[in-house]
Amino acid sequence: AQSVSQHNHHVILSEAASLELGCNYSYGGTVNLFWYVQYPGQHLQLLLKYFSGDPLVKGIKGFEAEFIKSKFSFNLRKPSVQWSDTAEYFCAVNPRNAGNNRKLIWGLGTSLAVNP
Amino acid sequence: DAGITQSPRHKVTETGTPVTLRCHQTENHRYMYWYRQDPGHGLRLIHYSYGVKDTDKGEVSDGYSVSRSKTEDFLLTLESATSSQTSVYFCAISDKETSGTDTQYFGPGTRLTVL
Repeated sequence: AQSVSQHNHHVILSEAASLELGCNYSYGGTVNLFWYVQYPGQHLQLLLKYFSGDPLVKGIKGFEAEFIKSKFSFNLRKPSVQWSDTAEYFCAVNPRNAGNNRKLIWGLGTSLAVNP
Repeated sequence: DAGITQSPRHKVTETGTPVTLRCHQTENHRYMYWYRQDPGHGLRLIHYSYGVKDTDKGEVSDGYSVSRSKTEDFLLTLESATSSQTSVYFCAISDKETSGTDTQYFGPGTRLTVL
């Protein structure tokens, strides 16, 4: 079955530290890839997405992600985190041409806490 | 933010009572989704709709039903609420048919407590 794995469940960083959150998926075909962020008590917001073209995608608030097809990965990065980045981060994959491309497959999320 | 509202935003109910949650969109998108979010489980798809009167089950559909009589409204009903349905419920819409990118946008959520 198709799945998305986020290896880090909880991450604690100090302000100005660099961030990398892992996301791997299991599907051999073409995919659309997403990262969403959920700030405490709020709904999910789109951080960035990849559909085609440059595998290095830039999103809002200084985040970026790199699609590495050979590794089935779409890791999220930020060079210097801020306290306001404290949130839960979700990776999601849409397996195109899989017959179920109306649905996203979600990772379980990574909780990021940034200490001031 | 996409034009999605959910009502009610908070609800406390008792076991065995019926509950209906409403999702309303102003974007005129065909695809709408209901998810529940629970600690340790992430987001789980309950039901989705790909048009008026066209719905399908997600991975955790037992105990839930949906209806879509208008493009803008997608209703989620718990026929007889149980404590295991205590959760935060999110509605989402997809821009699949307009942009081809199938990006989902989320509503503010409904926090449901079943006593």
